[in-house]
Amino acid sequence: DIQMTQSPSSLSASVGDRVTITCRASQSISTYLNWYQQKPGKAPKLLIYTASSLQSGVPARFSGSGSGTDFTLTISSLQPEDFATYYCQQSYNTWTFGQGTKVEI
Amino acid sequence: QVQLVQSGAEVKKPGASVKVSCKASGYTFTGYYMHWVRQAPGQGLEWMGWIDINTGGTNYAQKFQGRVTMTRDTSISTAYMELSRLRSDDTAVYYCARDDLEFWGQGTLVTVSS
Repeated sequence: DIQMTQSPSSLSASVGDRVTITCRASQSISTYLNWYQQKPGKAPKLLIYTASSLQSGVPARFSGSGSGTDFTLTISSLQPEDFATYYCQQSYNTWTFGQGTKVEI
Repeated sequence: QVQLVQSGAEVKKPGASVKVSCKASGYTFTGYYMHWVRQAPGQGLEWMGWIDINTGGTNYAQKFQGRVTMTRDTSISTAYMELSRLRSDDTAVYYCARDDLEFWGQGTLVTVSS
C-alpha cells in the first residue's frame, strides 16, 4: 500500500500569510496527487487535482506542485475562510489520504 | 446538478451490521466508480474501497476485507456499503464519493455502542 505523510500536522497562521503544506508518498505516484479542504461537519472539498490543476471555482490563491513523491500545497494569502483541515490524497493505486494539516489562527 | 444523498444516521450494537445508501442524481450513474471513505471522530480520512457501478466489481481495502460489502442498484441509482461485525472503533462518518473526486455525499454517522 502507498503511504502518504503530510507535514506539519497543524500550523498557526494569520490572515494574509503565505502557507505551505507538504505531502510525501512512500513510492512514486507521478502526479496522481489531490488536495482537499475540510471544515467541521462537512464533506471534503476538492481543491487541486493531478498535483497542480485547480478545481473549478476554487480561488487562485490555492496552488499545488510536485511530482513523483514530493508535493506541496500553497495558499498565497490566507483568508478567514481558509481556516480548515487540509488533506492530500493519492489516486495512483486505489486511494490513500495523508493524516491532515489543521490550519488555525 | 450532480448530487449524492446518503441515508440517515444509525446507532448499532457491537456485532451488528449496518448498510448505508448513497443515492445519485444528475449524471449517468453507471458512468463512474463509487468510493467509500470513513472518518472517525476527530480523525483523518480512511479509504474503504470502490465499486464499479457498471459491472458491480469491487476492490476493498485490505483492512476491511471480509467485513465490507459494496453493492449497487442501477434501477434506482443507488450504491450501498454494508459493514458487518461492528466494533466500537467503527464509529465514524461514512462518505460515498464519485470516482472523479469532485462529488461527495453529505456523510452518514454510524455510532456503535452497547
